[in-house]
Amino acid sequence: SAVISQKPSRDICQRGTSLTIQCQVDSQVTMMFWYRQQPGQSLTLIATANQGSEATYESGFVIDKFPISRPNLTFSTLTVSNMSPEDSSIYLCSVVYAGSYEQYFGPGTRLTVT
Amino acid sequence: AQKVTQAQTEISVVEKEDVTLDCVYETRDTTYYLFWYKQPPSGELVFLIRRNSFDEQNEISGRYSWNFQKSTSSFNFTITASQVVDSAVYFCALYGGGADGLTFGKGTHLIIQP
Repeated sequence: SAVISQKPSRDICQRGTSLTIQCQVDSQVTMMFWYRQQPGQSLTLIATANQGSEATYESGFVIDKFPISRPNLTFSTLTVSNMSPEDSSIYLCSVVYAGSYEQYFGPGTRLTVT
Repeated sequence: AQKVTQAQTEISVVEKEDVTLDCVYETRDTTYYLFWYKQPPSGELVFLIRRNSFDEQNEISGRYSWNFQKSTSSFNFTITASQVVDSAVYFCALYGGGADGLTFGKGTHLIIQP
């Protein structure tokens, strides 16, 4: 199974500020994804992080609000910009290894916006 | 579009009872992958199983078993002799492969009472 770390594990942020979440994997992966889990809800895909190019966003998510980078095959960042209380969620990254179809998840980042 | 339905929002049973969690899916893909994840109160998402669309063999792992029926588009999960540690939210998810992320059901909150 994968070893995936996320930083920070949790944070409390002020409205209007931005937070960058990091996702680090122990070895090279083909796919990296970012998901959001709002309180008491299921997981929703935000975007696919593409290595060396712009991320592919799902309907309802835009690059200006959730800029994503993936400079190499083991690392990605998600920024939550101009935060509002509605952005309070758990943000999770997931990865798919080459030759596999399992998606493994990082431990998540619990974000609270006040 | 893909869709996953977990009609049971919450299930409560007494320890040692057997319990089945239902999952029904919709997809136009001919090849796809189905998953079950466990999310305990701590919040991390734990991978339980992946099933390929072309493999309808049922699977058993200890007290866990999965029944995949393509004819009814269902992928049900049974826990035998439930234990308090099985208490968690369980998510069924569908993956079409490639750059698509997972489509999750809304989850079933399983409560095992001592």
